[in-house]
Amino acid sequence: NAGVMQNPRHLVRRRGQEARLRCSPMKGHSHVYWYRQLPEEGLKFMVYLQKENIIDESGMPKERFSAEFPKEGPSILRIQQVVRGDSAAYFCASSPRGSEQFFGPGTRLTVL
Amino acid sequence: GQQVMQIPQYQHVQEGEDFTTYCNSSTTLSNIQWYKQRPGGHPVFLIQLVKSGEVKKQKRLTFQFGEAKKNSSLHITATQTTDVGTYFCAVGLSGGYNKLIFGAGTRLAVHP
Repeated sequence: NAGVMQNPRHLVRRRGQEARLRCSPMKGHSHVYWYRQLPEEGLKFMVYLQKENIIDESGMPKERFSAEFPKEGPSILRIQQVVRGDSAAYFCASSPRGSEQFFGPGTRLTVL
Repeated sequence: GQQVMQIPQYQHVQEGEDFTTYCNSSTTLSNIQWYKQRPGGHPVFLIQLVKSGEVKKQKRLTFQFGEAKKNSSLHITATQTTDVGTYFCAVGLSGGYNKLIFGAGTRLAVHP
């Protein structure tokens, strides 16, 4: 059973460009969570999704950020018009239901 | 919103010494989880504590949940270089899913 997969592992964008981060949960997991980790800091919850539904987006910035988990395919975290402050590691986690979360390797976003 | 304070921020030990990290909350917690993140890696689930006064052991690691369910600790006996990393506590919020609120983490350095 493959683990949580995220791609790309590293992403470099210039200010103003769009960043698109993908996450494929573990097989059988219907719950997906996105977290952001700034250098030397803990992880901050961004959004929780189930298939085709956003359940909790209370940690997501109101502008420029969006997330989806379509019926088919991976979950996508999209950041429009990136700024330097968006530079961080973005981790996706999945769980079968309300239990331990399995984290992917993360996408390290660098905004130049 | 829910917050959990974690101390210390950094800990340097000689190999063979013990190590402890603490998490504290001002409110009663339904559960607490512990994760380990190696440098450059992703968080890996270690354990979940649910019951008041619960103590669980994993080899050299001992996890405790306070009687009032407001604090928790992770103790490592006789540290090894493989223990290097950042240890995070995380609080799972109730509501049918496990949105995690992470502590800031304790970074452990082990000197041979």
